[in-house]
Amino acid sequence: AQRVTQPEKLLSVFKGAPVELKCNYSYSGSPELFWYVQYSRQRLQLLLRHISRESIKGFTADLNKGETSFHLKKPFAQEEDSAMYYCALSGRGSGNTGKLIFGQGTTLQVKP
Amino acid sequence: NAGVTQTPKFQVLKTGQSMTLQCAQDMNHNSMYWYRQDPGMGLRLIYYSASEGTTDKGEVPNGYNVSRLNKREFSLRLESAAPSQTSVYFCASKSPVPDTQYFGPGTRLTVL
Repeated sequence: AQRVTQPEKLLSVFKGAPVELKCNYSYSGSPELFWYVQYSRQRLQLLLRHISRESIKGFTADLNKGETSFHLKKPFAQEEDSAMYYCALSGRGSGNTGKLIFGQGTTLQVKP
Repeated sequence: NAGVTQTPKFQVLKTGQSMTLQCAQDMNHNSMYWYRQDPGMGLRLIYYSASEGTTDKGEVPNGYNVSRLNKREFSLRLESAAPSQTSVYFCASKSPVPDTQYFGPGTRLTVL
């Protein structure tokens, strides 16, 4: 079954503390993995994708195929990072319809 | 360049009423999607359209119909609303390169 699991509904940290939002997936094949973010009163937007190996706003995520995980990390949390974060996957290759399968979402709360 | 727009922003219906949620994008994307967002369940795909003139069911299509009117517009219709359809509905369109979905602001629907 194709599934994305984010085990934490809420993650609360203090400003300056490290952050790790967990994401595990199951997928038969080779998926593309994404993190989307929804700030308060803003629309859902792409934060980063695994294939780009990029760092956006200090966040990174490494795809671990052995553990089927794609955890999102940031060494020093900022108050402006407070938001809802969704991990998502889609299929790869020709015929890929681009459908996204989302996890349940994790609310990150960064306290001053 | 407005991106993805949705109307209405809010709607309250009585059980059994019908309505159509409108979505339009000005990015010349082929693929468009309708998701619903429910607490603790993330976003789930209702229907999608890979190109003008084609539509396919997603994970939770029951109780909904869609129309891909042209390349820009993709509407979602509830023929006989039920309380279980109380949700926030998001429309998205997809850029093929880079593989990114762009989301609308959402429609908050309450069915009494």
